[in-house]
Amino acid sequence: QKEVEQNSGPLSVPEGAIASLNCTYSDRGSQSFFWYRQYSGKSPELIMSIYSNGDKEDGRFTAQLNKASQYVSLLIRDSQPSDSATYLCAVNGEAGYSTLTFGKGTMLLVSP
Amino acid sequence: DGGITQSPKYLFRKEGQNVTLSCEQNLNHDAMYWYRQDPGQGLRLIYYSQIVNDFQKGDIAEGYSVSREKKESFPLTVTSAQKNPTAFYLCASAPGKLGEQYFGPGTRLTVT
Repeated sequence: QKEVEQNSGPLSVPEGAIASLNCTYSDRGSQSFFWYRQYSGKSPELIMSIYSNGDKEDGRFTAQLNKASQYVSLLIRDSQPSDSATYLCAVNGEAGYSTLTFGKGTMLLVSP
Repeated sequence: DGGITQSPKYLFRKEGQNVTLSCEQNLNHDAMYWYRQDPGQGLRLIYYSQIVNDFQKGDIAEGYSVSREKKESFPLTVTSAQKNPTAFYLCASAPGKLGEQYFGPGTRLTVT
């Protein structure tokens, strides 16, 4: 059974700070990694995808992948109150494998 | 406008009744998925389909049924055999092999 682990939080950061969200996964064969943002009562929204070791930046978001250590992280720079949400980590299997395993999510609270 | 639609947004049913949740996409995605989300829980996969007229059970398929007669549509029926049907139901679709999935707005089902 594949597992994706996240700290449930809440992770509290002040406005303007860097928020760091972490995720570990059990399947060494995983190839694709995703971060979703889910506001309370809403559906998940894909915000980042990463497929190879290293960093991937998109605006204020940076995804980091370390396959040897089986972890993936999401950094949010200059955090805003509007970033307050639950962040879900999702992991795919080998290329072509079509399902995702989701973590339970980390709640982020950004205070003004 | 391309997207995934789910209807209705809220659904109330009496115990013992079957209910069908609608999911439609006009993104030309091959794969479609149904998830269930309970408070404090991650997303749990109910059924998925990678091609028309074919679908596979996910982790919690008991008490649910699906059909995939058209590429655009993947309805989910919650049967009276589902012990705890009250939940937030999410439909997703995926374009290709890298695994990223895109979610509809969800249907919140309450069974009393």
